[in-house]
Amino acid sequence: AQSVTQLGSHVSVSEGALVLLRCNYSSSVPPYLFWYVQYPNQGLQLLLKYTSAATLVKGINGFEAEFKKSETSFHLTKPSAHMSDAAEYFCATYAGGTSYGKLTFGQGTILTVHP
Amino acid sequence: DAGVIQSPRHEVTEMGQEVTLRCKPISGHDYLFWYRQTMMRGLELLIYFNNNVPIDDSGMPEDRFSAKMPNASFSTLKIQPSEPRDSAVYFCASSLGWTEETQYFGPGTRLLVL
Repeated sequence: AQSVTQLGSHVSVSEGALVLLRCNYSSSVPPYLFWYVQYPNQGLQLLLKYTSAATLVKGINGFEAEFKKSETSFHLTKPSAHMSDAAEYFCATYAGGTSYGKLTFGQGTILTVHP
Repeated sequence: DAGVIQSPRHEVTEMGQEVTLRCKPISGHDYLFWYRQTMMRGLELLIYFNNNVPIDDSGMPEDRFSAKMPNASFSTLKIQPSEPRDSAVYFCASSLGWTEETQYFGPGTRLLVL
């Protein structure tokens, strides 16, 4: 079954610095991969998704992610952090095997942005 | 569209009481998902429906939990009787199709069972 692992439960950056949130996947078939963001007391919102088209995926709010098959990674980046980026970020993939159709989430990474 | 609508947004109840959470998916979406989010277990899929039919309820924790979707615009998640360990945020999400399709999440219901 497909799964994702997020490296680092907390990431702290200064405003204007590079944001890098790490996600590795395990899959025996080409995966569908997603990044969602959750602001405090809100539901999850899609940032971007990879569906076997371009390996560099651009999302909302200046975020992008690159699918690297050789590294089984789908890391999320943003060149310059803004205070409003402070939130929890989830990497997700569709599970396979008997769980086909289920969206499986990583444990989440809380991003803190310092002034 | 107003997005996925959930009610209530907050619920405080006493152990043993029945709790009913409600969800209105985005119009035209044929998949509906119920998730639970806790600090300990993260996001867990409880059950999902396709065209109002439950497809997979293997994530439902126990018989105290039940979910229904009587029509394309309404679903309920019921807990009876409720227990303190059911305290969590419950999200409803809907999508047009599955796999590569985006799931749109509601704002969640924050449940506290005392």
